[in-house]
Amino acid sequence: GESVGLHLPTLSVQEGDNSIINCAYSNSASDYFIWYKQESGKGPQFIIDIRSNMDKRQGQRVTVLLNKTVKHLSLQIAATQPGDSAVYFCAEKKMNTGNQFYFGTGTSLTVIP
Amino acid sequence: EAGVAQSPRYKIIEKRQSVAFWCNPISGHATLYWYQQILGQGPKLLIQFQNNGVVDDSQLPKDRFSAERLKGVDSTLKIQPAKLEDSAVYLCASSLGRGGTKNEKLFFGSGTQLSVL
Repeated sequence: GESVGLHLPTLSVQEGDNSIINCAYSNSASDYFIWYKQESGKGPQFIIDIRSNMDKRQGQRVTVLLNKTVKHLSLQIAATQPGDSAVYFCAEKKMNTGNQFYFGTGTSLTVIP
Repeated sequence: EAGVAQSPRYKIIEKRQSVAFWCNPISGHATLYWYQQILGQGPKLLIQFQNNGVVDDSQLPKDRFSAERLKGVDSTLKIQPAKLEDSAVYLCASSLGRGGTKNEKLFFGSGTQLSVL
């Protein structure tokens, strides 16, 4: 079946360093992707999204890169802060298919002060 | 704007009991979703509503789970009878649901953490 997976279940970085969280997807028909951040005891929070007609999109301190050739998505967080500690999920969907998102397992990011 | 509201925040029940969760989506959001999130996993879609109609309930265990959104706004999710493996966080999400990038983002509530003993 189709799946959204993450390369690393946990990631630890020093405060101030850049973080890179990776995600592999297997559905080549997926054309919209979102990164969510989930802090303990809270629901997932939207970070940034990207459509398949783009390779890169930047937000505030975050950048999402999409490589359709190898079906790989990454989230880069610049100057990681303690408040960035959370679980990060990538979610994929096929356009015009009922707005159903499929979530990966998640990567737990820990920022070391 | 107000976010997605869910209650209760926590619920502890014994197996074979019943439980209900409530969700109030963001005002004006036509699409409402219930997700189940087991510890250490990503959210898994249970059911999707468009206004008061069901769009997809293919992953809802219909022998014990039911959901409704009678007036196209609030929604309730019920489990009867509960099993141990139902222990999870139940997340409600909503979206504008009218097509286009801005309308497709899901906004999540804080969830209800269910423990079945």
